[in-house]
This record gives sequence, structure tokens and C-alpha cells, in this order.
Amino acid sequence: AQKITQTQPGMFVQEKEAVTLDCTYDTSDQSYGLFWYKQPSSGEMIFLIYQGSYDEQNATEGRYSLNFQKARKSANLVISASQLGDSAMYFCAMREGRSGANNLFFGTGTRLTVIP
Amino acid sequence: KAGVTQTPRYLIKTRGQQVTLSCSPISGHRSVSWYQQTPGQGLQFLFEYFSETQRNKGNFPGRFSGRQFSNSRSEMNVSTLELGDSALYLCASSLMRDRAYNEQFFGPGTRLTVL
Repeated sequence: AQKITQTQPGMFVQEKEAVTLDCTYDTSDQSYGLFWYKQPSSGEMIFLIYQGSYDEQNATEGRYSLNFQKARKSANLVISASQLGDSAMYFCAMREGRSGANNLFFGTGTRLTVIP
Repeated sequence: KAGVTQTPRYLIKTRGQQVTLSCSPISGHRSVSWYQQTPGQGLQFLFEYFSETQRNKGNFPGRFSGRQFSNSRSEMNVSTLELGDSALYLCASSLMRDRAYNEQFFGPGTRLTVL
């Protein structure tokens, strides 16, 4: 079974509008971390936001917020006031805490296009 | 503070050759993880090194190997290259491990093309 599922291969959003990118995860660990990364065409992975499994509040970082629904095992990324520079691939990733290892499991990504 | 650096940025090899990629983590970071990104398989974890020891390995054949030096710099080696090894290889460094939150900082990647 896939550990991270992103069901939206591509999304379009109008500039200045908000957009939600979906992510569901699968783990039996009680302790885990969820990450969102942005990958522009240059290839570098840029960290956006993190949510820990024990965090009671949804994470926020500037225009990024994470809608964490633990019972549903979903961790959707919300980008508010979209900008042209937000056009990129977005990856949801998970680190399982039990193993103590530093490997991330990534989803297949969502390509976001911001329309002027 | 300098970020994660990877060299070379681009590489072209032919089938059967071997290649070595290098990654210098952020100063003070002791954990280096390697990932392979392809259009077909997406982002897959290769291995992790911490304090010069391989701590974790993904599901890749033995042709893929790595090492870490005392200054935390890491190299990965791919022997007997195959066409399917063409990919973007990303390196990520972390300060620690064994924590639920452990941000990984990624380098710009090395794009390997196998002809």
C-alpha cells in the first residue's frame, strides 16, 4: 500500500485565490511527521510546512497552512492568496517515527499552475 | 550558512560505466540521505548515513552504494549503469535523527543521464 497518496496530478488556481492540495497517508506508527515540499522546475526541494502527529493545532507558515485530520489520515496543504511564483510541483511526505530513520516517503506530487 | 551542495549538477554517462556523486551537507549536520527521482517511480529513498555509518537503506540493487566521510560529506556510487538509472539524484541533510520532527534540507540535485 502507498504510504502517501496525492490524487491530484494537476491543479489550476487563479492568482490571489486560495487552493487546497490533497494528501492522505497510511501508517501504523503513533509518532510520525508530515511534510510538504515545493519543487520548482530547477529541481531543488523547498521545505514549506511540517505537522507532527501529536500536534493539536494545524500548522501554519505564512501563506501556507496544513489542514490535519488525523482520524481521516489526511494532511492537505492550503495556499492562500496564490502568486505566480507558486507554480511548481508540490510533494507531500511522511517520516515515520518508530524506526528513528531519516527517510521520507513521498507522494507522486501535484503540479500547481497559477493563472494570472 | 551555506546550504546543501551537490556536485556535479549534470552528468552524462553510457551504459556499463560507473558514476560517483557528491553531497556536502549543511555545516554541523551529521545525517545525509539520498533520493532518486524519476518520472515513472517518483521520489524514492536510497540510503541514509549518519556519523559515517549507513543507518537505513531503500529497496535498490547493490549497484547503488554510498559512504560518508568524517566531515559528513557523502558520496554515492552507481556501478554498471543502466538506462533506467537516468534520474535526478537528491541529497538531503539533517542535524539529527531519531526525532519525529527532523527537517531535511535538500540540495539542488545531480541530473544523471545514461545513454
